[in-house]
Amino acid sequence: DSGVTQTPKHLITATGQRVTLRCSPRSGDLSVYWYQQSLDQGLQFLIQYYNGEERAKGNILERFSAQQFPDLHSELNLSSLELGDSALYFCASSDRSSGGAPWELFFGEGSRLTVL
Amino acid sequence: GENVEQHPSTLSVQEGDSAVIKCTYSDSASNYFPWYKQELGKRPQLIIDIRSNVGEKKDQRIAVTLNKTAKHFSLHITETQPEDSAVYFCAASIVAGNKLTFGGGTRVLVKP
Repeated sequence: DSGVTQTPKHLITATGQRVTLRCSPRSGDLSVYWYQQSLDQGLQFLIQYYNGEERAKGNILERFSAQQFPDLHSELNLSSLELGDSALYFCASSDRSSGGAPWELFFGEGSRLTVL
Repeated sequence: GENVEQHPSTLSVQEGDSAVIKCTYSDSASNYFPWYKQELGKRPQLIIDIRSNVGEKKDQRIAVTLNKTAKHFSLHITETQPEDSAVYFCAASIVAGNKLTFGGGTRVLVKP
C-alpha cells in the first residue's frame, strides 16, 4: 500500500460526459502528480500541484482540468469525454523534503476510465 | 521539454539470463534518473534511481549505469527470475524541477 488513495477505481461513462477523479496523497506529501496511461502505453504526465499551486503542466488537454485543495487532496476533471480518453489515470505524490529518494513518486492504484 | 526514449519495447529472456534496457534523454539539464517497475494490473513502483554525479549504482541483482556525455542510461537485471516479469519505465528529471518524464516502457518476460 503506497498510502495514495484514488477514487473511483473503475468508471464507465458515455462520450460527451464529464467525470471527476479524486486523489488523496500520502500523509504529509505536498506534491501531487497526475499521469495518464493508455492501453499498452507509457505514463504521460498531465499536471503537477505543490501545496495547492500548479507547478508543472504536461500534455493535458484543454478539456481536462485539475486542482489541489487546502487539505492537499486533488481532483482531475475530464469533460466532453471522447473514446480516446479511455485510460488508466494515476495520481502520485511525493515529499520533496524526505530522505532517501527525494523525488520518489508514490503512485495510487489508478482510476480506470472507460468511455463508451 | 524533456524527451525520453526507451528500448526495447519488449524483451523476452530465459530465467537466469541477464536483461538490459536502454534509455536516452534529450535535456542535458536532467540529472535525476529513476526506474519504475509496474507489475501486471499494479501501480508503478520505484526500484532504483541514480543522480548525475554517479556513473553506476547497484542494488542486489539490479544496476543502473549513466553516461551523461552521451545522454543515455541503462538498467541491468542479472540472474533474472519469473518475478522480474513486468513493465519497466525509465524516467528523467531535473532534481530541482517538478516534472518526471517517463520513457515508453519495456515489457520484460522471464521464461522459466
